[in-house]
Amino acid sequence: GQNIDQPTEMTATEGAIVQINCTYQTSGFNGLFWYQQHAGEAPTFLSYNVLDGLEEKGRFSSFLSRSKGYSYLLLKELQMKDSASYLCAGMDSNYQLIWGAGTKLIIKP
Amino acid sequence: NAGVTQTPKFQVLKTGQSMTLQCAQDMNHEYMSWYRQDPGMGLRLIHYSVGAGITDQGEVPNGYNVSRSTTEDFPLRLLSAAPSQTSVYFCASSYDSSSSGANVLTFGAGSRLTVL
Repeated sequence: GQNIDQPTEMTATEGAIVQINCTYQTSGFNGLFWYQQHAGEAPTFLSYNVLDGLEEKGRFSSFLSRSKGYSYLLLKELQMKDSASYLCAGMDSNYQLIWGAGTKLIIKP
Repeated sequence: NAGVTQTPKFQVLKTGQSMTLQCAQDMNHEYMSWYRQDPGMGLRLIHYSVGAGITDQGEVPNGYNVSRSTTEDFPLRLLSAAPSQTSVYFCASSYDSSSSGANVLTFGAGSRLTVL
């Protein structure tokens, strides 16, 4: 079957670095997406990886290893506004998205 | 440029009532979809459309109908509401569903539905 696993909740300190892991099993693979969702709001796109390696976008980076079925989102210089849920989604061979349940990130001062 | 507009934001229904959640986008996106989001679960696809006049079922279509008469609009109809349909519903669109790099979804603000 198809499945996305990510931790339910993580806590980090303002100014620190946090890594949110995601493992995926999809029927075929057309890329891995990360979305950010603040409480009570809609998800917004953060990153897309289809090739192995690290993609950096400001304070946020996303990594993909297709051979391991593994991705992570790295957030640097954490700010209070980064408190949100982070959703990992894999795209299968039919271009359908399989979503994880999301990781709630709590930032403490 | 409004993006994806969903209405209503909140709705309370009684079991057996019907209603329509409206979704409109002004980005000329071909692909539109409806998801539900429940605590502890990932987003689940209800129905989707790859263009005007074309709709298809997602993972959890039972109890819901959709239509796509124009590129802009994609309403979701609950035929006879049940407590199990209590959820937050999101409409999302993208330029193209068949090219993964272009398949970045833009979400509406969400509709919180409670069925008593």
